[in-house]
Amino acid sequence: DAKTTQPNSMESNEEEPVHLPCNHSTISGTDYIHWYRQLPSQGPEYVIHGLTSNVNNRMASLAIAEDRKSSTLILHRATLRDAAVYYCILRANAGGTSYGKLTFGQGTILTVHP
Amino acid sequence: DAGITQSPRHKVTETGTPVTLRCHQTENHRYMYWYRQDPGHGLRLIHYSYGVKDTDKGEVSDGYSVSRSKTEDFLLTLESATSSQTSVYFCAISLTGTDTQYFGPGTRLTVL
Repeated sequence: DAKTTQPNSMESNEEEPVHLPCNHSTISGTDYIHWYRQLPSQGPEYVIHGLTSNVNNRMASLAIAEDRKSSTLILHRATLRDAAVYYCILRANAGGTSYGKLTFGQGTILTVHP
Repeated sequence: DAGITQSPRHKVTETGTPVTLRCHQTENHRYMYWYRQDPGHGLRLIHYSYGVKDTDKGEVSDGYSVSRSKTEDFLLTLESATSSQTSVYFCAISLTGTDTQYFGPGTRLTVL
């Protein structure tokens, strides 16, 4: 499985943008880049995903490098509720009854200061 | 929020006893998953199901069995619990094998 590398932790102030980096130099052409987050004492929660183009949704934006060897999750205005562990995951496209495996690494612990 | 419930939410049991955890969904999603989460290991897949009576092993399936007799229910059974199975267990669902996975609230299991 292609691996991802994320910083162990990052800090931000409330109301400021946060850029969470992820390196995935061994990504294959069919791997999707997924981001999940896990708030304290909760199950993981889907944030966003993309293949080649930058993506935006109501939660965040995903910027993907042209060579796809890295990506950045952008939270435009961090709130205290965004404090969580953020996981960058490469997911293969799968067919039939197989599934696109989600391999969770250690993620980045985001601390948001008031 | 996706309609996923897990029961029980907390359980303490003794080594050697059987334990069954239940995951119930109201979304009619085809795929269901069981993960465990331990410090230093992140989330690891135990088993998954791609339909009623259709299941397959994940990366840490030893000591666990699963059953899915209805679309909405996915059961995880520890036939004879061991202390190494003390963990937080998460259920997840997805519409297809490559769709977004939605996770339940988790079950904290302690095996003494």
